Amino acid sequence: RKEVEQDPGPFNVPEGATVAFNCTYSNSASQSFFWYRQDCRKEPKLLMSVYSSGNEDGRFTAQLNRASQYISLLIRDSKLSDSATYLCVVNSDSWGKLQFGAGTQVVVTP
Amino acid sequence: ETGVTQSPTHLIKTRGQQVTLRCSSQSGHNTVSWYQQALGQGPQFIFQYYREEENGRGNFPPRFSGLQFPNYSSELNVNALELDDSALYLCASSLGGASDEKLFFGSGTQLSVL
Repeated sequence: RKEVEQDPGPFNVPEGATVAFNCTYSNSASQSFFWYRQDCRKEPKLLMSVYSSGNEDGRFTAQLNRASQYISLLIRDSKLSDSATYLCVVNSDSWGKLQFGAGTQVVVTP
Repeated sequence: ETGVTQSPTHLIKTRGQQVTLRCSSQSGHNTVSWYQQALGQGPQFIFQYYREEENGRGNFPPRFSGLQFPNYSSELNVNALELDDSALYLCASSLGGASDEKLFFGSGTQLSVL
């Protein structure tokens, strides 16, 4: 079983709509959680950290459910520029070894 | 721009050859991590260097080795290349090795093994 699992998508989203997707992680001792964004074969870029109480950054909202061991990302008012692969990232160690999911592809259409 | 630079950007090698990939970390960062990303997969952790010492290692064979220099730049060496080593190799730097440190990725080296 993979440590971090994501629905690969693609999620086809009309411009202006809302899209949400989850990722699950297997290690209950995981400490830090992130969403990264990756454009086609470019480097991942940090989108946002995910905090226990949930957090929002503009149109993006992240939630963490420790009991069920999943993280979610919601994108409101989708823009064409939101088209990308969203990587769920979990850190289960006291140092910086990150476990990446395989990514969820989002395609925003006009 | 993250300030993390990798070279070369693209590389073609044949099976059995050796390769060295290079990474310059962002100014002030003392930690470098290397990841391998195969097509359609997420990045997989290879190892991390903190102040010139290996600070942790993922599930990669010993033919994957690395170095970190006093200026905190780093090299990834892969010996006896195999076809499955074809991937995007990403270097990421951070201020320290803690679990909540944000990583800043370079744009990667695309390695093709023929």
